[in-house]
Amino acid sequence: ETGVTQTPRHLVMGMTNKKSLKCEQHLGHNAMYWYKQSAKKPLELMFVYSLEERVENNSVPSRFSPECPNSSHLFLHLHTLQPEDSALYLCASSQDINRVGNQPQHFGDGTRLSIL
Amino acid sequence: QQQVKQSPQSLIVQKGGISIINCAYENTAFDYFPWYQQFPGKGPALLIAIRPDVSEKKEGRFTISFNKSAKQFSLHIMDSQPGDSATYFCAASSRGTGANNLFFGTGTRLTVIP
Repeated sequence: ETGVTQTPRHLVMGMTNKKSLKCEQHLGHNAMYWYKQSAKKPLELMFVYSLEERVENNSVPSRFSPECPNSSHLFLHLHTLQPEDSALYLCASSQDINRVGNQPQHFGDGTRLSIL
Repeated sequence: QQQVKQSPQSLIVQKGGISIINCAYENTAFDYFPWYQQFPGKGPALLIAIRPDVSEKKEGRFTISFNKSAKQFSLHIMDSQPGDSATYFCAASSRGTGANNLFFGTGTRLTVIP
């Protein structure tokens, strides 16, 4: 149990659907992250939130829309996705964003997303 | 451009053997080098990490060796066990890369044969 819970674990959607991924952390952390994991590629950082404020958006297409209503919850809203968006989407949290080496990122088990 | 290069892509080791995974980087500002372990259906979990002020760090059967001048670091798994079969990712970050950004390698799938 990592303290970071992601739902759903699996999601199949058509390109015209709208869905949301949810992440919840029970670690009292202030920073949360969305990553995309594709086969044979490095994990790609998508978004970073610190104290509910977005601090980084790594050139992610607008069809991905993050939301952080509080420091324990993070959402990724999806709409009109493309087949190449099929991947494992991982959420992570850390104590904060400023003390890079002093605290690790804790990952959830991810949502496996398949776009038809 | 890939910030951290990892090899090999896959590795098969006999039980009791030594597993060695290598990573290389270019950015000399990196000051934190963690290794993550990922089992199928699970997210990555921090295994061990090192800072560049030491050349080696050992935790149980897992050792990180760090060569600052060569800009390389490696993970050694001693007495490898079937339960070690997983994908291993190296990563690197620095305060200058912003927002606790971790740059990951492409991963090494380790299989330990009984």
